[in-house]
Amino acid sequence: DSGVTQTPKHLITATGQRVTLRCSPRSGDLSVYWYQQSLDQGLQFLIQYYNGEERAKGNILERFSAQQFPDLHSELNLSSLELGDSALYFCASSARQGSNYGYTFGSGTRLTVV
Amino acid sequence: EDQVTQSPEALRLQEGESSSLNCSYTVSGLRGLFWYRQDPGKGPEFLFTLYSAGEEKEKERLKATLTKKESFLHITAPKPEDSATYLCAVQSSDSNYQLIWGAGTKLIIKP
Repeated sequence: DSGVTQTPKHLITATGQRVTLRCSPRSGDLSVYWYQQSLDQGLQFLIQYYNGEERAKGNILERFSAQQFPDLHSELNLSSLELGDSALYFCASSARQGSNYGYTFGSGTRLTVV
Repeated sequence: EDQVTQSPEALRLQEGESSSLNCSYTVSGLRGLFWYRQDPGKGPEFLFTLYSAGEEKEKERLKATLTKKESFLHITAPKPEDSATYLCAVQSSDSNYQLIWGAGTKLIIKP
């Protein structure tokens, strides 16, 4: 157990729907990062939050949004889902805004859009 | 533009056959280089951070080294349980602490 908790582990939904993925960072970590990993593809950075504020955006679609709450958990909202959104979505956390100590990843949410 | 390239894309070895994985990088100023291990369907697991050329770190059968242009992950006498995808990432001084990831090397160790 890495200490980063992601729920749900699996999600199957239809095209056009909206889903919410949840992440609880490791205790004491202030930064949360969201990544997308499609089948046999590399990690694609989506967005980073630090202590409730958005810090960096990667290749995140306009249909996707995220937020980090006062208790530091984060949610990634995916709307108007398309078949191509099927992927593993990982959340990672780190102690500071920087990642000198490495990111700790959760076990991911596998999203299947049918 | 900051870039990370890993080679080979895939590597098949017999159990006990030592080898090295390469991570070449181009960044404006290296703040740190990270190695992760990822098992299928699971999140990447942190292995090492290297900060400056000449630095080396070891963990069991793995040894990571760093030069000004590349890093190597040496695997000595690997076992089947070392089979995984190994990811390299760099953090540059211009990247606002973001990690720039390589595509990974898929390592398969045959018994």
